[in-house]
Amino acid sequence: EIVMTQSPATLSVSPGESATLSCRASQSVSSNLAWYQQKPGQAPRLLIYGASTRATGIPDRFSGSGSGTEFTLTISSLQSEDFAVYYCLQYNNWPPFTFGPGTKVDI
Amino acid sequence: EVQLVESGGGLVKPGGSLRLSCAASGFTFYYASINWVRQAPGKGLEWVGHIRNKFDGGATDYAAAVKGRFTISRDDSKNTAYLQINSLKTEDTAVYYCTTLLDYGGILIPYWGQGTLVTVSS
Repeated sequence: EIVMTQSPATLSVSPGESATLSCRASQSVSSNLAWYQQKPGQAPRLLIYGASTRATGIPDRFSGSGSGTEFTLTISSLQSEDFAVYYCLQYNNWPPFTFGPGTKVDI
Repeated sequence: EVQLVESGGGLVKPGGSLRLSCAASGFTFYYASINWVRQAPGKGLEWVGHIRNKFDGGATDYAAAVKGRFTISRDDSKNTAYLQINSLKTEDTAVYYCTTLLDYGGILIPYWGQGTLVTVSS
């Protein structure tokens, strides 16, 4: 089973600043990596798939990069609605899908 | 538009059973594998199990934590997948999501439903 780790666990950012979130896989997942945003009481929202492709309707301040075992989600110019928990998901070697533990972005 | 709609959650006593449904639309259901993922209150995301399409024999796999108690099935004529949960434990309290991974010419995109809440409490 591929183990996903995320860092940092919590990231404190001011509105208007940028945030860089990291996700690491225990072995290569190629580019089969997705990023999700989750707000309290809501389902995870797909932001990025294929490591770097924004999902439909996702603002271009969200960008993903990386391949293999190291991935990054960058949020430029954070808006108030961006404060949430972010998860990465690998879907290269499954079952099982495996998720990172999440990064909380707070003010 | 791809849609996955879960239903069937609710409040159940420990030891009880529940069947969750996942109604799909917007894609060719019988080709797709369906996964179930859950999220306990305040916790992260946990893969529960999946069912492959009939061309792969409809095979199922389960997480160790649920094996023997959870059963995934599908009815391709109804574009619906099911998660039968037996011998429920308080630690099964979670929002349950169904997900699918669709292949668009080699590009894989994971889609999710909105989830259904299962609460196990006496």
